[in-house]
Amino acid sequence: DAGVIQSPRHEVTEMGQEVTLRCKPISGHNSLFWYRQTMMRGLELLIYFNNNVPIDDSGMPEDRFSAKMPNASFSTLKIQPSEPRDSAVYFCASSLAANSYNEQFFGPGTRLTVL
Amino acid sequence: KQEVTQIPAALSVPEGENLVLNCSFTDSAIYNLQWFRQDPGKGLTSLLLIQSSQREQTSGRLNASLDKSSGRSTLYIAASQPGDSATYLCAVISSGGSNYKLTFGKGTLLTMNP
Repeated sequence: DAGVIQSPRHEVTEMGQEVTLRCKPISGHNSLFWYRQTMMRGLELLIYFNNNVPIDDSGMPEDRFSAKMPNASFSTLKIQPSEPRDSAVYFCASSLAANSYNEQFFGPGTRLTVL
Repeated sequence: KQEVTQIPAALSVPEGENLVLNCSFTDSAIYNLQWFRQDPGKGLTSLLLIQSSQREQTSGRLNASLDKSSGRSTLYIAASQPGDSATYLCAVISSGGSNYKLTFGKGTLLTMNP
């Protein structure tokens, strides 16, 4: 298996632009997680899906952030409009199911820089 | 609110030494605890997963222990090697109804000295 796939790996954009990050989970995994990592705050869970349904989006910082999972093999995280403070590494992870017994497998991340 | 702390933030040790990384958490009502490794510019790799009913897990040169009552976990690395240089992150899943949430520490940056 190729593991969790994220694209793009790097994104540089200007303030106010729309940014879309993409994730393909491991085939057969039913749960998908979006995280953000910064030096100041470390790794934070933004939102997670079970069977394509958003379960907990309490970590989404603002209405500028939205996430979708139209099918079991694809998810997007969108920021519109983007701001410099959104600069971070965004990780996607997947697991067999969102319970305490299953490990999460992480993608390589997307490094976002908003100028 | 669950908080996870890892001390020290950075550690530099000679190759070949046995070493211990520490993790503490404020809410002992956890389901499990995971140790991850992160290499520069890379994603996270899961090292060990300890269920709340377990006391320890071992994988090769790695041994992780869990003491729920005191809110502590340690990751023991035996006979450290140059390739062990990385950031090691601890994360817990806390009870919270049907929600499932990993809370991460900020990690310990381990540097191996030749």
